[in-house]
Amino acid sequence: GGIITQTPKFLIGQEGQKLTLKCQQNFNHDTMYWYRQDSGKGLRLIYYSITENDLQKGDLSEGYDASREKKSSFSLTVTSAQKNEMAVFLCASSGLGGSEQYFGPGTRLTVL
Amino acid sequence: QQQVRQSPQSLTVWEGETAILNCSYEDSTFDYFPWYHQFPGESPALLIAIRPVSNKKEDGRFTIFFNKREKKFSLHIADSQPGDSATYFCAASLESSSFSKLVFGQGTSLSVVP
Repeated sequence: GGIITQTPKFLIGQEGQKLTLKCQQNFNHDTMYWYRQDSGKGLRLIYYSITENDLQKGDLSEGYDASREKKSSFSLTVTSAQKNEMAVFLCASSGLGGSEQYFGPGTRLTVL
Repeated sequence: QQQVRQSPQSLTVWEGETAILNCSYEDSTFDYFPWYHQFPGESPALLIAIRPVSNKKEDGRFTIFFNKREKKFSLHIADSQPGDSATYFCAASLESSSFSKLVFGQGTSLSVVP
């Protein structure tokens, strides 16, 4: 078994601020993902990474940057927080063959 | 843009009834179709999944029915229990050797009334 941890659990920022969310996994999975979950809109893929130092844009990458410096960690940066950014950001990972994705507990972002 | 459409947005059933949740997709190359469930305050977790080599997959009270020609699949929850109350997301992807880029539906909020 393994676990995905996300920090912080709650993040409050000011409009225009640069904010960073962190994710760690100990599954030894190759692929990691960042999703945004808005109420009533399902999960939308922001960035994913197939291996260390790889980055691939998802459908919602504009306004975000990501970093995969180690196999076990994947960070997401909101480059300039906007009031409509308020959502839950979920990190996930999957192993080789990659079918099942395991999700972390999420970071709830509030922009004042 | 690849899309997965899910219906209904919300569903209420009585305990013991069968709940039916529906999804459709557009991309005919998709070859992996999972259902995730998410309980309030928790993260999504894989419930059951199907690949189009078969048109039915069962796991206990949960069954996926898959129709490749119509690009539709559904989740049937038999003998629904109050503990099944959650949001259910369908998804679809084209699997590769290393990862699965899932496209999620918008979710169905299921309430099972005792």
